[in-house]
Formats: sequence, structure tokens, C-alpha cells
Amino acid sequence: QQPVQSPQAVILREGEDAVINCSSSKALYSVHWYRQKHGEAPVFLMILLKGGEQKGHEKISASFNEKKQQSSLYLTASQLSYSGTYFCGTEPVKAAGNKLTFGGGTRVLVKP
Amino acid sequence: DAGVIQSPRHEVTEMGQEVTLRCKPISGHNSLFWYRQTMMRGLELLIYFNNNVPIDDSGMPEDRFSAKMPNASFSTLKIQPSEPRDSAVYFCASSNPGFQPQHFGDGTRLSIL
Repeated sequence: QQPVQSPQAVILREGEDAVINCSSSKALYSVHWYRQKHGEAPVFLMILLKGGEQKGHEKISASFNEKKQQSSLYLTASQLSYSGTYFCGTEPVKAAGNKLTFGGGTRVLVKP
Repeated sequence: DAGVIQSPRHEVTEMGQEVTLRCKPISGHNSLFWYRQTMMRGLELLIYFNNNVPIDDSGMPEDRFSAKMPNASFSTLKIQPSEPRDSAVYFCASSNPGFQPQHFGDGTRLSIL
């Protein structure tokens, strides 16, 4: 079952912060985050594993709440380059290894 | 280092024709994934291979779709016969085993007329 991402879209001014959530109805072992710019391939940002700590990439960080089966991606002091669609990919417990189910995506537009 | 290489980048063909998409994974990666992306359905996993062996093809939409990985450096996704609803961007991705990042190719934009 596909994880649910919220919000579906967000518009920011440069320097503002945003949070993107990814929720699953299944117990999760790992959550992957990717960013895709228009007309390009998804690009890996970070992986969070069950029991793992919060991760960071530039001023983008993420957390993983195992009890809530939810991950959140934090865009801090957003830059124009952060614009794109963000996808979470989830892997349930006892999965075969690296098979991801992607959420529907969150479109982020950062304006000057 | 070379990334995942897909060909062709664009394909336009008429319905009923056979379509073959090609993928060369990153050298040393053991896992290969084929995805389809559309506005309506998002990013869907079609099939994935570990060590050239198909592990899960539950996402393959129907018998018209088939995928092979004859060796560690090459995979194909074939659609025969093609239909307009197959129009989408098809991505190939590869990774090392065990909760590692997936590296995506640039995709093939397929249009079936």
C-alpha cells in the first residue's frame, strides 16, 4: 500500500521553512527520501532506518517515528534549488530488501 | 563514475508495435529496478532483480510487459503489443543490496500513438 504524503504542494519564500510528512499503514523498516526536478530523474537525499537517528543533507533533515509509522522531511532556510517534487519511499519490516513503495509526492516551489 | 544508462531517451511509436527499453546499471550494483511514472499513478515499481534474478514482478501490469536481465550489466523491458495507455516515463534504477540508495537513470519518455 502506498504511503501518504502531506501536504501535496507547498509554496515558500526563499529562507522559509517547511515540513513534509510521509505516513504508512504498515510497520516500516526504512524510509528513503528523493527529490525530482521537472524533466529529470529522482535523486537520492537520505535513508532513515528503524532505530536510526535523524539524518541531514545540506539544510534538509529528516526524522523517523517508528511508533507512528511516519517520517518527516524538514526544509530549513529554503533555497531556490530546493524546488522540486519530494518523494518518500518506504520499505516494510521483513521486506526482501530494498523494494520501495513511493508516496504520491509533495511539490515544493521556492520563490525569491 | 558512470551512472545508470538508459536508452532510448525518447520513443514515439504506434500502438501495436513492440517497444524495447534498455538499461545498464552502475557497475558493481546487485539490484536493478524498473519503474513507471505517470501523473495519475505516480512512481510505480514494475519489477526488480537481485543478482540478475527477478525477485518480484507483481507490479508488471499485464502479460504484454516482460523484463529480462541476461547479465549483471544489462536489462531490458519489453512491451508487446504496445497501447496508448502505456505512455509514461520509464526509469531504471540500481543499488547495492541491503537498504542502500537507489540511483536512477535519466528515464525513457515513451509515447504510444
